[in-house]
Amino acid sequence: DTGVSQDPRHKITKRGQNVTFRCDPISEHNRLYWYRQTLGQGPEFLTYFQNEAQLEKSRLLSDRFSAERPKGSFSTLEIQRTEQGDSAMYLCASSTHRGQSSGNTIYFGEGSWLTVV
Amino acid sequence: AQSVTQLDSHVSVSEGTPVLLRCNYSSSYSPSLFWYVQHPNKGLQLLLKYTSAATLVKGINGFEAEFKKSETSFHLTKPSAHMSDAAEYFCVVSGGTGFQKLVFGTGTRLLVSP
Repeated sequence: DTGVSQDPRHKITKRGQNVTFRCDPISEHNRLYWYRQTLGQGPEFLTYFQNEAQLEKSRLLSDRFSAERPKGSFSTLEIQRTEQGDSAMYLCASSTHRGQSSGNTIYFGEGSWLTVV
Repeated sequence: AQSVTQLDSHVSVSEGTPVLLRCNYSSSYSPSLFWYVQHPNKGLQLLLKYTSAATLVKGINGFEAEFKKSETSFHLTKPSAHMSDAAEYFCVVSGGTGFQKLVFGTGTRLLVSP
């Protein structure tokens, strides 16, 4: 399977603990995105990378959140001092980027479910 | 600013009958529009996309959507529902200059009864 893969698929953690999610994009995709989806809502944009550069971050991404893509391949999303409001599914996606086209297909992984208790 | 409004939170159909999922969009730019499907505990799968080419867009699994600029709509249709179509469907817009993030609607849950 050469799709976007995410690990772990499910994580239960106690409030105040740190968690880290990993995303492996489709090979040779230069753009990588993180979205967050809460129950009953559509996904919301968090941040994206072009190669190793983090080019945009949503205001949803508080100081407790940090994302990296050190070698322009896989990415990690870390949440420090988790809160119950962080409970959500964290979706990773990737795409190729050519020019200014807004129509490049974005492929999503199956998500990482986080439950903070 | 861009946004989409999915007019129905739930749609129920019988197997073999037509499907209509409604979506209106708002965009300051010439938009790209997408429909994604999400099955339980699965990721998002692209059904189809509109990127300023033909206004009638055909997607996978027999779905299609028509871009109507005058009505700012991008409704999703399928002539005959199948049980496997039961899922959550998201209408999505992106567009503008520079980075174009996806803006999702709140979703429509399609229920298909035998």
